[in-house]
Amino acid sequence: SQELEQSPQSLIVQEGKNLTINCTSSKTLYGLYWYKQKYGEGLIFLMMLQKGGEEKSHEKITAKLDEKKQQSSLHITASQPSHAGIYLCGAEGYNFNKFYFGSGTKLNVKP
Amino acid sequence: ETGVTQTPRHLVMGMTNKKSLKCEQHLGHNAMYWYKQSAKKPLELMFVYSLEERVENNSVPSRFSPECPNSSHLFLHLHTLQPEDSALYLCASSQAPGQAYEQYFGPGTRLTVT
Repeated sequence: SQELEQSPQSLIVQEGKNLTINCTSSKTLYGLYWYKQKYGEGLIFLMMLQKGGEEKSHEKITAKLDEKKQQSSLHITASQPSHAGIYLCGAEGYNFNKFYFGSGTKLNVKP
Repeated sequence: ETGVTQTPRHLVMGMTNKKSLKCEQHLGHNAMYWYKQSAKKPLELMFVYSLEERVENNSVPSRFSPECPNSSHLFLHLHTLQPEDSALYLCASSQAPGQAYEQYFGPGTRLTVT
């Protein structure tokens, strides 16, 4: 099975600071997805990366997939309290019905 | 609002009880999913349904019994659960199976087994 390790597990930053969350896979990634989850609620899709070296941005959030397609990073610029939540990376397995998630990074942004 | 609703939002049940979780999607999707999210553990895919047919069952104990009567509704029937089954149960839907990036998630049911 595929394992996704996220770091850090939790993060507290001052509003306005930049931060990075990492997701490392035990196997080559065929598709890497980033989600945001508000505490105790469902997941909201943020971005999908498929090609080695790919980078995507949405507002102040940028996600990258490394050339070897085994590591992804999520970078938030000038963080705001609205960015608080749990960020999860997800990946497809060899079977399209297999989908794996990291254990999440809990982000708090202090005003 | 993602177009996927789940009821109840919170549920407390004893180990001998029988209860059901309900999920409804208003998006016209053909695939529905049950996930389990335990504290400090990765989100686990439990079941996948495509056009009301179960296409994936990830070694889930038989005390969890899914039902998909039509493409808009998904149930998870629970009986004789264990305290370690306490978790957030999330339902999701997508246009078709395998389109993981296009999964829309419900808000979840917070289940506590006493």
